[in-house]
Amino acid sequence: EVQLAESGGGLVQPGRSLRLSCLGSGFRFGDYAVSWVRQVPGKGLEWISFITSKAYAETTSYAASVKGRFTISRDDSNGVAYLQMNSLKTEDTAVYYCTRLGPNYTDYWGQGTLVTVSS
Amino acid sequence: QSALTQPPSASGSPGQSVTISCTGTSSDVGGYNYVSWYQHHPGKAPKLMIYEVSERPSGVPHRFSGSKSGNTASLTVSGLQAEDEADYYCCSYAVGNIYVFGTGTKVTVL
Repeated sequence: EVQLAESGGGLVQPGRSLRLSCLGSGFRFGDYAVSWVRQVPGKGLEWISFITSKAYAETTSYAASVKGRFTISRDDSNGVAYLQMNSLKTEDTAVYYCTRLGPNYTDYWGQGTLVTVSS
Repeated sequence: QSALTQPPSASGSPGQSVTISCTGTSSDVGGYNYVSWYQHHPGKAPKLMIYEVSERPSGVPHRFSGSKSGNTASLTVSGLQAEDEADYYCCSYAVGNIYVFGTGTKVTVL
């Protein structure tokens, strides 16, 4: 069974950093791209980043709202993807989901981890 | 990149059909056959319902179907059931090697 488990969320002050982790299991982690999607409480889903597999050069992409502040990476040996979030803003407060990215669509999602940016 | 436009709400009685639109531009929905749809029950992980405009993953009931015309994609739920009540989001691959989600539609089963 494909499973994705996010961790690392919590309360952080504006301007500080936080790193989210996504542990994948039940599939060959290294064969798939991974993306992060967030949902501000009461709002819709927002795609924020993806990283392709090593076969596709671990290419990364970011939404304009996080480009230059967030960095996605992966460690296939441990089946983990990361989202390093720097210079956090109050508007980054959201539930962050890790997803498995198939050929141009997300097919599995984690349960999400809540990030609250507040002083 | 702006979010794709969906109606905020849609509703129907059990057994009826409901269609949700997802309008973008030629840079996203109109330019690629990479539109997917997700069902989201609050507090749970979203679930893939349709991919590549009209393909249905195994396990998704046949009453869920997708289509596209120009810059607008659509999701139709036929034979509405109580468990279909949820938020639905479209998503499209877009120019610039990015993805964009729709604004979301809350489906209510009357």
